Amino acid sequence: QVQLVESGGGVVQPGGSLRLSCAASGFTFSSYGMHWVRQAPGKGLEWVAFIRYDGSNKYYADSVKGRFTISRDNSKNTLYLQMNSLRAEDTAVYYCAKDPYRGPDAFDIWGQGTMVTVSS
Amino acid sequence: QSALTQPASVSGSPGQSITISCTGTSSDVGGYNYVSWYQQHPGKAPKLMIYDVSNRPSGVSNRFSGSKSGNTASLTISGLQAEDEADYYCSSYTSSSTLLFGGGTKLTVL
Repeated sequence: QVQLVESGGGVVQPGGSLRLSCAASGFTFSSYGMHWVRQAPGKGLEWVAFIRYDGSNKYYADSVKGRFTISRDNSKNTLYLQMNSLRAEDTAVYYCAKDPYRGPDAFDIWGQGTMVTVSS
Repeated sequence: QSALTQPASVSGSPGQSITISCTGTSSDVGGYNYVSWYQQHPGKAPKLMIYDVSNRPSGVSNRFSGSKSGNTASLTISGLQAEDEADYYCSSYTSSSTLLFGGGTKLTVL
């Protein structure tokens, strides 16, 4: 079945780095745009980044631009989010999500999320 | 960019209909037919309920419908059921090629 599984979350100190991964299965990964979305504890959803099906275009929220990098390896059906210069306000559950088209448009399949905590 | 505006909470009795609004600008909701709606139960990942303003994914009940007028999109749930109690979020494509969420609406089924 169609599935997204995130990994790589954990506790990191302010200013530190972390790389999240999202393993996709059950669909042709290389045909769809992919997103990262986050949700701080007790707060709403925040779109973080998008990458086109072939990696040719990437878009970021202003809050992470210059610090986070989205990438993908279509040969491994895997999406990544490299997070640098982490701040306390980056603490959240991070979801990867599939776009129903080449996007950016919407999020039709979501992973279960991975928690990132930025704290000293 | 500021979040799209949603009411913080709405409520209704079983069997009734409710509508959740999502207000943006001509640079997002009003400028594109790329508005989507998500249902999120506590501790769970969000679920797509409506995409491209009014399209329902396979498997989503036809009690859920979407529409748009000007800079405001709406999600209507008819025949309210207990399991509809959840948080609901709207999202829209923007002129910056980004996506923007609403602040979320907590639906309580009385």
